[in-house]
Amino acid sequence: GAVVSQHPSRVICKSGTSVKIECRSLDFQATTMFWYRQFPKQSLMLMATSNEGSKATYEQGVEKDKFLINHASLTLSTLTVTSAHPEDSSFYICSARNRLAGQETQYFGPGTRLLVL
Amino acid sequence: SQQGEEDPQALSIQEGENATMNCSYKTSINNLQWYRQNSGRGLVHLILIRSNEREKHSGRLRVTLDTSKKSSSLLITASRAADTASYFCATGKGAQKLVFGQGTRLTINP
Repeated sequence: GAVVSQHPSRVICKSGTSVKIECRSLDFQATTMFWYRQFPKQSLMLMATSNEGSKATYEQGVEKDKFLINHASLTLSTLTVTSAHPEDSSFYICSARNRLAGQETQYFGPGTRLLVL
Repeated sequence: SQQGEEDPQALSIQEGENATMNCSYKTSINNLQWYRQNSGRGLVHLILIRSNEREKHSGRLRVTLDTSKKSSSLLITASRAADTASYFCATGKGAQKLVFGQGTRLTINP
C-alpha cells in the first residue's frame, strides 16, 4: 500500500514550452501533496505544498506563476512548469500524506527528470 | 530552509561492515525520519522515530535520537551491496512539512 506514481518519468522539451507533471496516490487518498526539486547530488528542496481544493502554498523563492500546481482531487496533483528554461532542468519529486493514516509519513513518487534544451 | 546536517557527506565501506550516518538539526521536532534514495529514483521511507523515543530498530537498521543534542544516527549492520544509496534524514513537526538534510552517499564495496 501507499503507492505514489508520477508521470512522465522523464521528459525532454524545448526552451519556452510548458511541461505538466502528474502525481497520483494509487491506493489512498491524499489531502496534502508536496512537490520537491532535486539537483544532482543535492538534497530535496521543497517547492510547494498542495492541498486538495485550495491554493498551493509556495516556499520562499519559488515563483507560483512559473510552477503552477493544481490539486483537483484527493488522488491527483499536477505541477506545470511554464515557459521552461534550461535552468529548470532538474529532478522533480512529489510526495503525499495518507488522509486516513498518521500525518507524519510522506510517501514519495519515483520522480520525473526534466531536461530543457 | 534545510535544517538537517548530515555527516559524513560520503561513506565508503566494505560489504559486511556496519555503516553509521549522523544527522543534526536545529529546531524542536515531533519526529525524525530516515529515507533512502537510489540513484535517480524516488525516496523510500525507512524508519520514523518520535521525539519521546530514544532508539528504534527495523531489521538491520537501528536509529537513535538524542533530543538534548538535537542529533540522530542511522546504523546499518552487516551492509550489503544493495544498501548503496543516498540516505537522508528529515525532521517533522506535526502535520507540517518535512525538512531534509543534505544526505549521506553510502557506497558498499563488494
